[in-house]
Amino acid sequence: DQQVKQNSPSLSVQEGRISILNCDYTNSMFDYFLWYKKYPAEGPTFLISISSIKDKNEDGRFTVFLNKSAKHLSLHIVPSQPGDSAVYFCAALLTQGGSEKLVFGKGTKLTVNP
Amino acid sequence: GAGVSQSPRYKVAKRGQDVALRCDPISGHVSLFWYQQALGQGPEFLTYFQNEAQLDKSGLPSDRFFAERPEGSVSTLKIQRTQQEDSAVYLCASSTQANTEAFFGQGTRLTVV
Repeated sequence: DQQVKQNSPSLSVQEGRISILNCDYTNSMFDYFLWYKKYPAEGPTFLISISSIKDKNEDGRFTVFLNKSAKHLSLHIVPSQPGDSAVYFCAALLTQGGSEKLVFGKGTKLTVNP
Repeated sequence: GAGVSQSPRYKVAKRGQDVALRCDPISGHVSLFWYQQALGQGPEFLTYFQNEAQLDKSGLPSDRFFAERPEGSVSTLKIQRTQQEDSAVYLCASSTQANTEAFFGQGTRLTVV
């Protein structure tokens, strides 16, 4: 039972265009969402996050949108650059019973073509 | 160092062998997490420490898996009698108590043959 779903295993875009990565979740207890970027043979690197009380957070070329009613979030990268090519993981923070854990999606491999 | 450090980077173990994976978190980070990432999957939660206290070990797949953080800094994940399905990348992450952003290490790739 996957609580965080990234339904697109891969995405390919042209340099300079917008990249949109999508993520859906099922657990209403999630109150914080994060996007991580991962290059091969490296650990995930934090990219951007959003609290459930907001619907948008922007950091430079990266914007995350949250639609709580639809249990959906998306990451927009504008303009896309070849160096953005990586696997992007959506993660949700679950805090309960004194514990906290990140629940990850399976990832979307983004390829930005020059 | 400034980041989370894990060792070894790569480990090949024969089936039935015991292994120990080490994590050096960022200095001062109270929270420490272990995740397991199988090929083509996202990281999956194994266990969580707050200082030296293991507050959640619900993700450990079996009693062959054991984690400790005796002094509230360095942590070790031990896997006894390794099996082929234990082959994965084991990721360690740390964060400040009030910070929800977790910083990950490069991971240890374990291959059981």
